Amino acid sequence: DIVMTQTPLSLSVTPGQPASISCKSSQSLLHSDGKTYLYWYLQKPGQSPQLLIYEVSNRFSGVPDRFSGSGSGTDFTLKISRVEAEDVGVYYCMQSIQPPMYTFGQGTKLEIK
Amino acid sequence: EVQLVESGGGLVKPGGSLRLSCAASGFTFSSYSMNWVRQAPGKGLEWVSSISSSSSYIYYADSVKGRFTISRDNAKNSLYLQMNSLRAEDTAVYYCARRRGPDYWGQGTLVTVSS
Repeated sequence: DIVMTQTPLSLSVTPGQPASISCKSSQSLLHSDGKTYLYWYLQKPGQSPQLLIYEVSNRFSGVPDRFSGSGSGTDFTLKISRVEAEDVGVYYCMQSIQPPMYTFGQGTKLEIK
Repeated sequence: EVQLVESGGGLVKPGGSLRLSCAASGFTFSSYSMNWVRQAPGKGLEWVSSISSSSSYIYYADSVKGRFTISRDNAKNSLYLQMNSLRAEDTAVYYCARRRGPDYWGQGTLVTVSS
């Protein structure tokens, strides 16, 4: 099974400052079809998870451009260029290269200072 | 607008059964694979099961294999999860979610397994 490891597990950021979350997978997420099946989700307090980034670096519909994803192979990063109060919640990375066993990272809790 | 609405959660005793439903609208349900993902209280996300658009491919997490059954009815735009032999560790909010890298999620339904 592919293990997804996120760091840090918690983050406290001043509004307007940048934030970065790392996600490392135990195996490469590059598929033979050329796609890399790495996703980022945000779960705001009391809400369902919402997709932010798909296939490493593509912003989902309606996601602000202050969110960006990068990386390749086994190392990935989610960056928020300027954190806003509405960005609080838990961020998860997820791999789906290895169906049927999709796995999530442990989650990174973002708080506002 | 894509909508996924789960129902069927509740309190059940260990060893009991429950059937969850997910009503889909706002998209062509029969064209998408679907998933169940759960979240135990205060914990992270755990993938439970997936089913392809035509039900040809079905997958389960090892933790539920042999106890849970995923199914769908494309004519009714509905996804189901039959849960048998429930254990305390199955207590969680269960979400249905659309497609392989889930893009839309329902609001979840809480399943509590307790005597």
